[in-house]
Amino acid sequence: SQQGEEDPQALSIQEGENATMNCSYKTSINNLQWYRQNSGRGLVHLILIRSNEREKHSGRLRVTLDTSKKSSSLLITASRAADTASYFCATQTSYDKVIFGPGTSLSVIP
Amino acid sequence: DTGVSQDPRHKITKRGQNVTFRCDPISEHNRLYWYRQTLGQGPEFLTYFQNEAQLEKSRLLSDRFSAERPKGSFSTLEIQRTEQGDSAMYLCASSASGRAQSEQFFGPGTRLTVL
Repeated sequence: SQQGEEDPQALSIQEGENATMNCSYKTSINNLQWYRQNSGRGLVHLILIRSNEREKHSGRLRVTLDTSKKSSSLLITASRAADTASYFCATQTSYDKVIFGPGTSLSVIP
Repeated sequence: DTGVSQDPRHKITKRGQNVTFRCDPISEHNRLYWYRQTLGQGPEFLTYFQNEAQLEKSRLLSDRFSAERPKGSFSTLEIQRTEQGDSAMYLCASSASGRAQSEQFFGPGTRLTVL
């Protein structure tokens, strides 16, 4: 079974609003990563947060990690139509394997 | 463009035929991964290589699937006797070895349709 589960499955917001997606996982991890995928395209790495980190920023992205609750959140501020995509959290527990969740589909309406 | 390329981008085949996909990773990356993604789902891990050695295979990788990375550079994924259930996007990714925590760079994927 997949390690991560994103919530919500789908999210629709107006341009300029903030979008928050959550991810829960089941086992201890080395790090948690967020990826974006535009329709029919490959995945693009957004941000990696290590298990000993609690918050990380990259541009309009803010990621938090709560290892006690085994959960993470991705916040996209001041959303743009170009942010419309699927967002996946992925957990890495070892050198080799990254396990993806089913994703959140984000629609940003202009 | 992440620097990882896959070929072909699309493949339509009839059930029972064999297909082969190719992945060219970023040249300095020693690790190479294959994933399968179906509509509305996240990528599912299939297998990965460190240089030419295949170090792990998922239970999803049935006997009809075989992957190689003969010279530690490009990799091929072959599916024999394709079934309709094999229809999916096949994604390749690479990462730098020797680093415990590093991002994976994904190719654009090969979309397989089995008729």
